[in-house]
Amino acid sequence: EVQLVESGGGPVQPGGSLRLSCEAFQFTFSIYWMTWVRQTPGKGLEWVAHINQDGSEEESAASVKGRFTISRDNAKDSLYLQMNSLRAEDTAVYYCARVSYSPGSQIDLWGQGTMVIVSS
Amino acid sequence: QSVLTQPPSVSGAPGQRVTISCTGSSSNIGAGYEVNWYQQFPGKAPTLLIYDNINRPSGVPDRFSGSLSGTTVSLAITGLQAEDEADYYCQSYDDSLSGVLFGGGTKLTVL
Repeated sequence: EVQLVESGGGPVQPGGSLRLSCEAFQFTFSIYWMTWVRQTPGKGLEWVAHINQDGSEEESAASVKGRFTISRDNAKDSLYLQMNSLRAEDTAVYYCARVSYSPGSQIDLWGQGTMVIVSS
Repeated sequence: QSVLTQPPSVSGAPGQRVTISCTGSSSNIGAGYEVNWYQQFPGKAPTLLIYDNINRPSGVPDRFSGSLSGTTVSLAITGLQAEDEADYYCQSYDDSLSGVLFGGGTKLTVL
């Protein structure tokens, strides 16, 4: 089945770090831009970052710039989000997702999400 | 300002037609970036509903349609059904942000 499976979420203290992983199944991972999108409970969707096919281009939202780093390993069909200096406002469900063809184009496959809770 | 503005909520009776607007600006929709729509049920990941302003992925009923007028894109749902009750989000790219933008989301209630 074509799918994305996230892992790595959980509770973390303010100022701490967490690394999210996302593994892709049953599609050619290396030909797609990939993205992370988050959603605070009860609130809307917020784009976090995206990365191109070979990892040479990336963009991130101003709210996470300098703290979060998106990366990928095409040999492992995996996407990552390294989150440092975490704040309470980073508490959210984090979705790994596949971008159809270019930044801003449609997200045509979403993972199930992994919850990150930043709290002391 | 780099935002996509959606009404917080819309409602309609079964069988009726509702529209959800998504208003942007010159740095996103006005710059020619296309808009995509997503449907999200509580506790679930979003799914793609409309892409490139007007196109439906395979499997999406033709009751759902998209349109563009200036810097406003709209999602129309005809023949409203109880199963359409969900949150709907528009999404595009923004030059000023150098990144992706989501609308605030619209909660559709089927009366």
